[in-house]
Amino acid sequence: EIVLTQSPGTLSLSPGERATLSCRASEGIPNFYLAWYQQKPGQGPRLLIYGASSRATGIPDRFGGSGSGTDFTLTISRVEPEDFALYYCHHYGGSPTFGQGTKVEIK
Amino acid sequence: EVQLLESGGGLVRPGGSLRLSCAASGFTFGSHALTWVRQAPGRGLEWVSTIGGDGYGTYYADSVRGRFTVSRDNSKHTLYLQMNSLRAEDTAVYYCAREAMDILDYFDYWGQGTLVTVSS
Repeated sequence: EIVLTQSPGTLSLSPGERATLSCRASEGIPNFYLAWYQQKPGQGPRLLIYGASSRATGIPDRFGGSGSGTDFTLTISRVEPEDFALYYCHHYGGSPTFGQGTKVEIK
Repeated sequence: EVQLLESGGGLVRPGGSLRLSCAASGFTFGSHALTWVRQAPGRGLEWVSTIGGDGYGTYYADSVRGRFTVSRDNSKHTLYLQMNSLRAEDTAVYYCAREAMDILDYFDYWGQGTLVTVSS
């Protein structure tokens, strides 16, 4: 089972700032099988990114994914008020695993 | 519009059973694998089980294998999770999610979840 470790645990930012979230895998993830989700309180997660860098339908272009192998990054170019939430990375294509999450909070 | 609506959660005693349902609409039901993911209070996401579009391929996390059974009724557009021998550590919000294309794929749509509480 691939273990995903997200950092930081909490990211405190002001609206308009850039957010950089990291997801590190315990071993290389083949075929870029890495997704990112956003979750707000009381809601189910929402798909943001799949295939490490492809934006899901309807996701604003301020969200970007990058990386390969064991190191992946979710970037929010300019954080909007609605972006303050929890973010999870997810390895798929085998036994699915999730990172523990990064909380993006208002500074 | 794709919609997934979970139901069946509630309070159950340790050792008890519960069956969750997930009613789906807005897509060709039998063309997609479906998955259950859970989230314990204040914790992260944990994959529980996946079932193929035709219902014949099933997969389970080690933590639930032998106790939980996933199934689906393609005529009713409904996914199920039969949970037996429940433990306190099974307490969580249970989400159903649609897999994008292939089995064990990423999850492109999620429900709002149903809360299961295992307590005496």
